[in-house]
Amino acid sequence: DTEVTQTPKHLVMGMTNKKSLKCEQHMGHRAMYWYKQKAKKPPELMFVYSYEKLSINESVPSRFSPECPNSSLLNLHLHALQPEDSALYLCASSQLVGGSGNTIYFGEGSWLTVV
Amino acid sequence: DAKTTQPNSMESNEEEPVHLPCNHSTISGTDYIHWYRQLPSQGPEYVIHGLTSNVNNRMASLAIAEDRKSSTLILHRATLRDAAVYYCIPRSGAGSYQLTFGKGTKLSVIP
Repeated sequence: DTEVTQTPKHLVMGMTNKKSLKCEQHMGHRAMYWYKQKAKKPPELMFVYSYEKLSINESVPSRFSPECPNSSLLNLHLHALQPEDSALYLCASSQLVGGSGNTIYFGEGSWLTVV
Repeated sequence: DAKTTQPNSMESNEEEPVHLPCNHSTISGTDYIHWYRQLPSQGPEYVIHGLTSNVNNRMASLAIAEDRKSSTLILHRATLRDAAVYYCIPRSGAGSYQLTFGKGTKLSVIP
């Protein structure tokens, strides 16, 4: 099973709402990632978790709060977002081995619209 | 991270070969060259990777220049399903797990 599952597929939220994006993988991967992708742009790295601990935060605003409750789950908590945060949010996972043959598997993404 | 240069867009006729070029002149000696693609409304997916030798798999072939400053992804017979944005990504052989995406090449396949 080489699948990363993201829910919800679409989310519309107001600027005062609190919502969460969820991601799950059952490939035994110990690295998990959040990427953000604006329309017609490449994905941009937001966070990296290694062994359920946050290892990279690419200077992401605190209104985005990641959480890794266990080795299979990754959440992204959203609070007080701005309309410019509307984007496709991609979750991914990989083994924690040297980057040579380390394939990263992506989910289909969650489309977020902030109104 | 090594910088890459790819054409913004390319077109191919269906069932013809496609050669997608990538320049990565600042690549280090230990960086592997990875290719991913992103179909419309989907997350990126792995295509192929290599270090020095040419590589083949069921999806594509990867030709790497002898000086490693460029590479070419080869789709042997383009299908409509191959229409996607293709990303060439140099990646360290150790310690670096994440992918850093450049702008990529948008491939259109004409029936």
